[in-house]
Amino acid sequence: DAGITQSPRHKVTETGTPVTLRCHQTENHRYMYWYRQDPGHGLRLIHYSYGVKDTDKGEVSDGYSVSRSKTEDFLLTLESATSSQTSVYFCAISESVSQETQYFGPGTRLLVL
Amino acid sequence: AQKVTQAQTEISVVEKEDVTLDCVYETRDTTYYLFWYKQPPSGELVFLIRRNSFDEQNEISGRYSWNFQKSTSSFNFTITASQVVDSAVYFCALRPMDSSYKLIFGSGTRLLVRP
Repeated sequence: DAGITQSPRHKVTETGTPVTLRCHQTENHRYMYWYRQDPGHGLRLIHYSYGVKDTDKGEVSDGYSVSRSKTEDFLLTLESATSSQTSVYFCAISESVSQETQYFGPGTRLLVL
Repeated sequence: AQKVTQAQTEISVVEKEDVTLDCVYETRDTTYYLFWYKQPPSGELVFLIRRNSFDEQNEISGRYSWNFQKSTSSFNFTITASQVVDSAVYFCALRPMDSSYKLIFGSGTRLLVRP
């Protein structure tokens, strides 16, 4: 199993509060991704990173920002949480673009009240 | 449009039955990858298989088999002699070879295997 951890695993917060989710990997993989999972939508890409300090937007990036200051850590921040951001958030990693397979972390369940 | 359709929302079978999960994809790209992931009740996503668009050979891994047909844009997944532990949500995903790096997921098929 790929060494990917996410913290926290569960979080309840209030609307308007900033929230930061952390993804940590021990595989030294270059690429990291944040997805959200919602019923009926499968998983959708929020942001991804192709190296330290190199990030780009995915298809549902509004309201989210990311940072990657070290290879092993990829942070997802909700600047001001809204109820529509209640979801399960998954981090994924891949070794290279050519290798393609993305391995997923255990997920973080976020509830915004 | 790039899209993955899993038309079967939920399937229920009795243990030892064979079951096929359907996946139909759309892409303009001639080069792409297809994946299947399993999400058991515990919630994690488990990688099952990756197939590139140039390899139409079917694959078998134990009780699992995959049928890739470019002519019908399908990548179906069959579980032979299903077991209760196969109960999960199964996702098919497409990785087009554009610059976005994303996986495009279907909405998933929930499989319930009853004893």
